[in-house]
Amino acid sequence: NAGVTQTPKFRVLKTGQSMTLLCAQDMNHEYMYWYRQDPGMGLRLIHYSVGEGTTAKGEVPDGYNVSRLKKQNFLLGLESAAPSQTSVYFCASSYDQEIETQYFGPGTRLLVL
Amino acid sequence: AQSVTQPDIHITVSEGASLELRCNYSYGATPYLFWYVQSPGQGLQLLLKYFSGDTLVQGIKGFEAEFKRSQSSFNLRKPSVHWSDAAEYFCAVGDAGGGNKLTFGTGTQLKVEL
Repeated sequence: NAGVTQTPKFRVLKTGQSMTLLCAQDMNHEYMYWYRQDPGMGLRLIHYSVGEGTTAKGEVPDGYNVSRLKKQNFLLGLESAAPSQTSVYFCASSYDQEIETQYFGPGTRLLVL
Repeated sequence: AQSVTQPDIHITVSEGASLELRCNYSYGATPYLFWYVQSPGQGLQLLLKYFSGDTLVQGIKGFEAEFKRSQSSFNLRKPSVHWSDAAEYFCAVGDAGGGNKLTFGTGTQLKVEL
């Protein structure tokens, strides 16, 4: 049982390049989330999904797209990376009830030059 | 919209000393409240959560938190800190708007002096 895994662990991009971050969970969770963590700002929700085939915007969705084609996977895409997207990205998942624990992946550190 | 304030950015305590990390929230109804811990280079791990009932909540690793509605606070405490408790601590409030979403505070970095 690996929990929540994220690929890659670290990536360097040039401005304007695109990339996809992959999140996978093996806990059969319905809900999945993408956060970004920046110094002094805590974690901010980018997008989330309440089930396969569904996605919704969070607090800071601009510049990102997501897809949830399979229940266990949640992809975060950057179509044209900008230096402001330099951050640590965390994926999380939970069961489909309120006040459920969110389980976090180890994070992806992204540097955009 | 809900919000969470963690007024202390950094806290340093000696090993064996007691610890209290402050958290204040803003929420229109009865809040769902959480404390998560993040060790260096790791993801977040749940310490404890509150949604109803007893206002003193016990968590893992010897931590506890007390919900005080009158003060809109949910402070985290530990009677005796261990060096391994050095980490960043995040308070969060649940969003009753669906999706089990969380709004996090900006975090408190705990340093433990030996």
